[in-house]
Amino acid sequence: QKEVEQDPGPLSVPEGAIVSLNCTYSNSAFQYFMWYRQYSRKGPELLMYTYSSGNKEDGRFTAQVDKSSKYISLFIRDSQPSDSATYLCAMSGATNKLIFGTGTLLAVQP
Amino acid sequence: GAVVSQHPSWVICKSGTSVKIECRSLDFQATTMFWYRQFPKQSLMLMATSNEGSKATYEQGVEKDKFLINHASLTLSTLTVTSAHPEDSSFYICSAHSLAGGNIQYFGAGTRLSVL
Repeated sequence: QKEVEQDPGPLSVPEGAIVSLNCTYSNSAFQYFMWYRQYSRKGPELLMYTYSSGNKEDGRFTAQVDKSSKYISLFIRDSQPSDSATYLCAMSGATNKLIFGTGTLLAVQP
Repeated sequence: GAVVSQHPSWVICKSGTSVKIECRSLDFQATTMFWYRQFPKQSLMLMATSNEGSKATYEQGVEKDKFLINHASLTLSTLTVTSAHPEDSSFYICSAHSLAGGNIQYFGAGTRLSVL
């Protein structure tokens, strides 16, 4: 079993839709949870960062962490074609090494 | 957010030559930088952890003599692919670890290496 599981997609939605991206993990020591967005042939860009459990909102993006279920989510409201990218969840514990999900490819159709 | 600059963005070289990739944290100091390799449609694979002033720590299966890492200052780490071969062709990405605000890594834009 992988430490972090992420549905690879691809996920295709119409413009304006709400997108839900999810990751599950097995290591209860993880405390730091991140979502990165990666456009084709570019480096990952940090979207959201959460420490421990809880919700965090930034514009159209909301990140949720449920440590009791070992489950994290990223919601994108009013999705735009410019949101089309690969979304990577990442997490870490006491060390500063990040463990990545496999990434979900999202396409927002105009 | 913090800015990490990676250079070059694309390099083509002949088999047997060496290629150096630079990673700079522009507006923060990074005691730790990371080097990743990414194959098409796959996630990032950690190659090594680079600590300022000490030897890099390589992940299992990564040849340290093949991928030389130097972290001479708090804002610069370099990866040198020595005697490159076509199988080394890949997308290489660096990240810098910021101590401010939690355990966050900021990534460079990546370097596409093509070995002929």
